[in-house]
Amino acid sequence: DAGITQSPRYKITETGRQVTLMCHQTWSHSYMFWYRQDLGHGLRLIYYSAAADITDKGEVPDGYVVSRSKTENFPLTLESATRSQTSVYFCASRVEYNTGELFFGEGSRLTVL
Amino acid sequence: GENVEQHPSTLSVQEGDSAVIKCTYSDSASNYFPWYKQELGKRPQLIIDIRSNVGEKKDQRIAVTLNKTAKHFSLHITETQPEDSAVYFCARMDSSYKLIFGSGTRLLVRP
Repeated sequence: DAGITQSPRYKITETGRQVTLMCHQTWSHSYMFWYRQDLGHGLRLIYYSAAADITDKGEVPDGYVVSRSKTENFPLTLESATRSQTSVYFCASRVEYNTGELFFGEGSRLTVL
Repeated sequence: GENVEQHPSTLSVQEGDSAVIKCTYSDSASNYFPWYKQELGKRPQLIIDIRSNVGEKKDQRIAVTLNKTAKHFSLHITETQPEDSAVYFCARMDSSYKLIFGSGTRLLVRP
């Protein structure tokens, strides 16, 4: 099943460029999340969304922008990429606000040179 | 506060032995504590979870215990197998229903 998909899976860019990571889910889950994964830091929440047109900051939102015009899509944009944003980015979704299981996408590995 | 402290960061056990990973938190409002397993190059997946009205939960070789008074919870894996080798993340749900993750434990099960 398609579930939740991310694109691109791998991206190399240069400092200062704008990059958009796409996330698409086919379940119509209300809640969507963006995490970044770095060695020694685990999974840190960047932004999340409770529904279309509703977004909020997580633990590490600086340098990122999100939008959610449709329930199924939740793109993450790095407006001016920095080397510290080199990371693996995971999109995730959840059915309701307080039911626990997060379903993760396969991840997008971003390298900023 | 926000953080979940997870220990150890790496754990190596012999096949058949038990493995224990512990997490601590400080926010007493937390009431949901899941554990995720991430195999190399794969996405994290939920393996077990526990809510604050329960002290222990088991699923075959995996168990989770919760001590709300002491604000810590632990993952126990018995009779470990090589396929248990992975990174394990604990998490807590905060008052805004966001999941805050620990920094992860890399478990290696030696054949």
